[in-house]
Amino acid sequence: DTAVSQTPKYLVTQMGNDKSIKCEQNLGHDTMYWYKQDSKKFLKIMFSYNNKELIINETVPNRFSPKSPDKAHLNLHINSLELGDSAVYFCASSQWDTLKNTGELFFGEGSRLTVL
Amino acid sequence: LAKTTQPISMDSYEGQEVNITCSHNNIATNDYITWYQQFPSQGPRFIIQGYKTKVTNEVASLFIPADRKSSTLSLPRVSLSDTAVYYCLLLRYNQGGKLIFGQGTELSVKP
Repeated sequence: DTAVSQTPKYLVTQMGNDKSIKCEQNLGHDTMYWYKQDSKKFLKIMFSYNNKELIINETVPNRFSPKSPDKAHLNLHINSLELGDSAVYFCASSQWDTLKNTGELFFGEGSRLTVL
Repeated sequence: LAKTTQPISMDSYEGQEVNITCSHNNIATNDYITWYQQFPSQGPRFIIQGYKTKVTNEVASLFIPADRKSSTLSLPRVSLSDTAVYYCLLLRYNQGGKLIFGQGTELSVKP
């Protein structure tokens, strides 16, 4: 029954490896996001998809490639992992309510990536 | 999006009312003021959103003056479980719902 679920919750890997994080939402939202939270707790938006179409790409290295097979899923693939990629990655989804003019984001619990 | 500024940390005691003020001097006409809460090892969670004046829900109140250059999140009678990081953000519809998070205010509630 989790609204936004992401797997895996923890991921430990070596530099140079390729890894993926999956995200699924069952809220029927049109928009999904990936955020990165570093050790200083800053949350930075990376990507946003609306109905499977990329709408936000915040100057993220090409090693990061999001993929949205359908509007309920947004996966994040990372190639050639580097030490600086260690962080918690949060998936989120939202749906803009044109009547209330609100667009609350629902976040997953995060995927902690550790690159050794 | 306009930048928001809020205190890095605040301390409080159980049962007290906590007010966290956020400055957003360059807020645009179509920006909505939004607050999120984040507990350790969890994703941020929406608390409240407003455009002007006062908004209240079951969790908090949001006070916004007429010039909208600041806002105050009010948490009534906090408990230990309110210890978290609180983020003040501006949400603009034509940005595709993109939220830019600042560093947040780390609230510590003590017994």
